[in-house]
This record gives sequence, C-alpha cells and structure tokens, in this order.
Amino acid sequence: SQTIHQWPATLVQPVGSPLSLECTVEGTSNPNLYWYRQAAGRGLQLLFYSVGIGQISSEVPQNLSASRPQDRQFILSSKKLLLSDSGFYLCAWSGSGRSYNEQFFGPGTRLTVL
Amino acid sequence: AQKVTQAQTEISVVEKEDVTLDCVYETRDTTYYLFWYKQPPSGELVFLIRRNSFDEQNEISGRYSWNFQKSTSSFNFTITASQVVDSAVYFCALSEVNRDDKIIFGKGTRLHILP
Repeated sequence: SQTIHQWPATLVQPVGSPLSLECTVEGTSNPNLYWYRQAAGRGLQLLFYSVGIGQISSEVPQNLSASRPQDRQFILSSKKLLLSDSGFYLCAWSGSGRSYNEQFFGPGTRLTVL
Repeated sequence: AQKVTQAQTEISVVEKEDVTLDCVYETRDTTYYLFWYKQPPSGELVFLIRRNSFDEQNEISGRYSWNFQKSTSSFNFTITASQVVDSAVYFCALSEVNRDDKIIFGKGTRLHILP
C-alpha cells in the first residue's frame, strides 16, 4: 500500500532563517506531488505541484521554492523565512496522468515563524 | 473558471442529529470530478469520496451520504446520527479533466458535534 511521510512534524524558526521540508511517498511510482499551505482557520492554498523529476509548477509567487530530486521525494524550501510563512504545510500525491485521481495527504508540518 | 463554494463556515449540532454540509461548484467543463475530504484535529486530510460528472447516483457509506445534483451544481454531504468523532473540517473539491491534475478546494466547513 502507498504511504506518504512528511517531516518534521512541527518546526519553530526565526524570521530570516532557511527552511527545508521534506515529503516522501512509498508504494507507488511516478506520482504527481503537491505542496499546500493552510493558514490558521483558512482553506488550502496550492503552492507547487510536480508531474515528474525536476518538473515543478508554481501556483503562487512567494519566497518559497520546491524541488523534486527523486521520483518520490518532494522538498519545500526557503532561503529566508517571513512571518507570513507560518502555517500548516501539507504534501499530497496522486496517480499520474489523470486529474480525477484523488489526492492523498501526508500528516503535515506545522511551521511557526517568530 | 473553477470555483467551489462552501457557504457554511461553521456548524454546531448535538450528537445524534443529522447534518448536511453544502457544496456548490462552478465549471465550464462537461467532464469533472468532485471530492469530499475530512480534516480532523490532527490535521491530516482524509479522502472520503470521489464522484464523476456522469454519475449522478447518490452514494451511501454507513452514516455518510452524498447528493450530487448537476442541475443545481451541488454536491452535498449528509452525516446521519452524528457522533463526536465526526467533529472536523470538511472540504469539498473539484477537478476538471485535462487541467494539470489540480484540485480546487472549497474553504471548508468546520463541524462541531456537541455531546
């Protein structure tokens, strides 16, 4: 069966510090991968998605970036965090090639920028 | 353009009552998919159901049921005999075929089941 992992689970970082959140998927190959952010009490905002290694599409201009160095690894990064980057970050995967495939989500990373 | 509206921001009901969560969507495509997800306090989103635009048959899964009506562009979710464990944020979502495999989520409805 497929599983998706995210780490760390929680993170407290000072403003201006770098960020690296990691997401890995097991039990499937060539998945579509997604990064979402959920601000407190708000809906889901799609940040990035990837349909393959090295292929990243950005949905919202910001100081975050994403990379997919391996088929089942998706990394969210920032060189300098802002206060507004605080939130709950969710990684998700879906089967490749069809938009009707439901997305399955990881446990999330709760980021607090101070 | 795609759009999903969940007009109910927050709902509170007493345990064992039935509750319906509304979802209205907008799309120009004739082929699309609708989803419901549950987000319990732990934060992880749990997939509940997927429905394609050609299948208007209502679905029942235990205490959960879904009413899909293309005529009103609605995909409502009913919980029968609610339980405290049903307390969560529920998201309705829409995906259009051939649109980069993206899902558009509504803003969610926070459901409180009171003991």
